[in-house]
Amino acid sequence: NAGVTQTPKFRVLKTGQSMTLLCAQDMNHEYMYWYRQDPGMGLRLIHYSVGEGTTAKGEVPDGYNVSRLKKQNFLLGLESAAPSQTSVYFCASNDPTGELFFGEGSRLTVL
Amino acid sequence: ELKVEQNPLFLSMQEGKNYTIYCNYSTTSDRLYWYRQDPGKSLESLFVLLSNGAVKQEGRLMASLDTKARLSTLHITAAVHDLSATYFCAVGGWETSGSRLTFGEGTQLTVNP
Repeated sequence: NAGVTQTPKFRVLKTGQSMTLLCAQDMNHEYMYWYRQDPGMGLRLIHYSVGEGTTAKGEVPDGYNVSRLKKQNFLLGLESAAPSQTSVYFCASNDPTGELFFGEGSRLTVL
Repeated sequence: ELKVEQNPLFLSMQEGKNYTIYCNYSTTSDRLYWYRQDPGKSLESLFVLLSNGAVKQEGRLMASLDTKARLSTLHITAAVHDLSATYFCAVGGWETSGSRLTFGEGTQLTVNP
């Protein structure tokens, strides 16, 4: 049972480049989330989705875009990467109790 | 704005000792979650607390929730090295917009032999 899968797991970008992180879940969850984790700051919500075709802003949405074209996939895009976006990104989905299930994380470095 | 504070942020303890991690939050919520994260790894769910007075135990860890005090505790009994990790609490209510959890900063626990 795969759960939540993120690709890629590691990526190095130059400032100004663009990229997309892919999250896939096989648990038929409606809700999906993208978080970033930085040292000493816990996890902060970037964007989330309450169902196929819907997205909404979280706590730190600037510089990111998302899409949820299929229920099982949630994409996070960086149009013009900046060094401040160097972070570890986690995708998650939740079950009806609200408990989050996380992917393994994607470590992004922007030079 | 919901704020979640954990203390301590860093905890070094000896094997066999007991200790408690505290999670305070600023606004009313009916749900609280505890997660564990090993270095370089993802977050693993430990406990889901859904009501006032809820208490759950798994091995050497026990979590409780007091919604009136806006406080959750994670108690460690007779610590062992394998418990070394970072522990996060997360708070949120169930909204029509989904389970938007706010995380604490995390407590980095080191258990020394």
